[in-house]
Amino acid sequence: GENVEQHPSTLSVQEGDSAVIKCTYSDSASNYFPWYKQELGKRPQLIIDIRSNVGEKKDQRIAVTLNKTAKHFSLHITETQPEDSAVYFCAASIHGGSQGNLIFGKGTKLSVKP
Amino acid sequence: SQTIHQWPATLVQPVGSPLSLECTVEGTSNPNLYWYRQAAGRGLQLLFYSVGIGQISSEVPQNLSASRPQDRQFILSSKKLLLSDSGFYLCAWRSTGRTEAFFGQGTRLTVV
Repeated sequence: GENVEQHPSTLSVQEGDSAVIKCTYSDSASNYFPWYKQELGKRPQLIIDIRSNVGEKKDQRIAVTLNKTAKHFSLHITETQPEDSAVYFCAASIHGGSQGNLIFGKGTKLSVKP
Repeated sequence: SQTIHQWPATLVQPVGSPLSLECTVEGTSNPNLYWYRQAAGRGLQLLFYSVGIGQISSEVPQNLSASRPQDRQFILSSKKLLLSDSGFYLCAWRSTGRTEAFFGQGTRLTVV
């Protein structure tokens, strides 16, 4: 089955700096890669996602890149703000048909210091 | 609009007692349903997922079981809880035609 590795497990940056979180996956059939943000005590929520037919996607200060050949994808947050502090999870999935599992990485705790 | 309900929010149970956590989804039909466990300081571990009534796939062998008696109802159970079952349990759903998964509020289970 699919296995998703995520690094680093913790990340501390100064406000205004950039943050990068990296993930690798094992199943070459995976074609959908979402990123979720979980604030303390709350449920995870989708912040950005990318499909395998795209190499990069950007939404304001966040962007995701995908390298299908190397089977890794990354989350980039620019101009970080204190409210970006949270745990971020990457995930991999096969989208389409009846296949349904959604496998997450172990998460990265991001701390943005003012 | 679609909503997901998960209860209870918190639960303290003694070792050896049974467990039943329920999750229901409204406003959609034939969703994919998921149970995840989040132990302290760890990621979201997929326990079970279901693509239809009575169809359960288990990702990790454990002391837990899942059932889907109705299209939009997903139940996580245990006959005898272990201390290691403590954690934050999250139910999630997504449409087979869409990609985003939506999570319930979670149940914080403490086994004592």
